[in-house]
Order: sequence, then C-alpha cells, then structure tokens
Amino acid sequence: GAVVSQHPSWVICKSGTSVKIECRSLDFQATTMFWYRQFPKQSLMLMATSNEGSKATYEQGVEKDKFLINHASLTLSTLTVTSAHPEDSSFYICSARFFRTSVYNEQFFGPGTRLTVL
Amino acid sequence: SQQGEEDPQALSIQEGENATMNCSYKTSINNLQWYRQNSGRGLVHLILIRSNEREKHSGRLRVTLDTSKKSSSLLITASRAADTASYFCATAGYQKVTFGTGTKLQVIP
Repeated sequence: GAVVSQHPSWVICKSGTSVKIECRSLDFQATTMFWYRQFPKQSLMLMATSNEGSKATYEQGVEKDKFLINHASLTLSTLTVTSAHPEDSSFYICSARFFRTSVYNEQFFGPGTRLTVL
Repeated sequence: SQQGEEDPQALSIQEGENATMNCSYKTSINNLQWYRQNSGRGLVHLILIRSNEREKHSGRLRVTLDTSKKSSSLLITASRAADTASYFCATAGYQKVTFGTGTKLQVIP
C-alpha cells in the first residue's frame, strides 16, 4: 500500500523558535497533501490543504503566517510552525492523495509528529 | 468543522463481546474510512468503503454504509483487549477528508 512518512516523529523546542515538519509520499506522487492537528483527547482537525506548486488553502481560524506550508514537489510537503508557543503543542498529521485523479479521494496518512513547546 | 458525529462517545465491553460504533455525517461523500488510534500514537487505517458500496469485511471488522441515511457503522467481532483504542470515522468529499469525534473503546480482559 501507499506509504507516507513524517519527520521528525517528535520534537521538543523552546518558545519562540520555529519548527519544520516534513511529510513525504514514499512510493507515489501526491498532487495534494493535507495537514491536520490533534489536541489531546480530541479528534483530528484539518488545518490546510496544499497542492503541489501553488499556495496552500487554510481552514478558518488557522493562521497562515504562523503555519507555513510548502509543497515544492510531488512527494514532499513541509509545515513550519513559526515562533512556536506552548499552545501550539499538539500532534500534527499529514496525508497525501494519489497523483492520478481519484474519484473516491483516497488519502494516506503519515504516522504523525508530536510537537511540545516549552 | 467536524463532519462526522460518532456514537457512543465511549464504550466498555468484555473481551469476546462484539463492539459496534456508529458514524453519522452531513454532506455527500466519495468514501468513508475507519481508523484506530492508540493513546498518544498515530492513526492506523482499518478499512475504506466507497460511496457505491454497502458493506465491507476485513478480518473481524465489518463496516456498513447507508448513504441515504448518511451513516456508517463499524462492528468489531470477538473483541480482544488489544482492540482497546479510539476509533474515528473519516469522510472524504471531493477534496477534503474530515474526521468524526471518535469513540473510545475499552475491552476488559
């Protein structure tokens, strides 16, 4: 099956620093990648949708200047949390969709990155 | 915004019993997926059912989809202690996948 990886698996950083999280589709090309956030004991919430070569589309309430998304290639998308604060501590999960048009919108999820901001 | 609502929110059963979780959604979908998540861990994909399918099986899992009622159910038969986890339904429209609120399942040995 399709494999999506994330790096790093977890990261601890100081308040005010920026953190970059990578999402890679390992064995397929993904025109679209999605970023989700999950706070403790809550469900996953979609943050943004990124299409290769174009600007990301952010969900309502998500600050685009704080969560920078770059989707420079068909296999890599990055999420940078800028000037991170403790309230940004969360579990960040990406997903990727096949390059070929998929009527059924099948997406494959990465294992997630746990961010802790001190 | 949350697309799917799941019930029950939490469920506790004895090992060997069956567990049923339900998911209701609001808009039309292309597919619906079920995921398991152990505490503090990533998602494990369980099963995907497409909008033109009504039932699907995978091992001890049985998923049904009723698009007229905009609902799906996940049945885990002969539950095991290792099935203890949170279970989420995720509905896929044309572009987005949105997750339900989740059901926390506890299987008591």
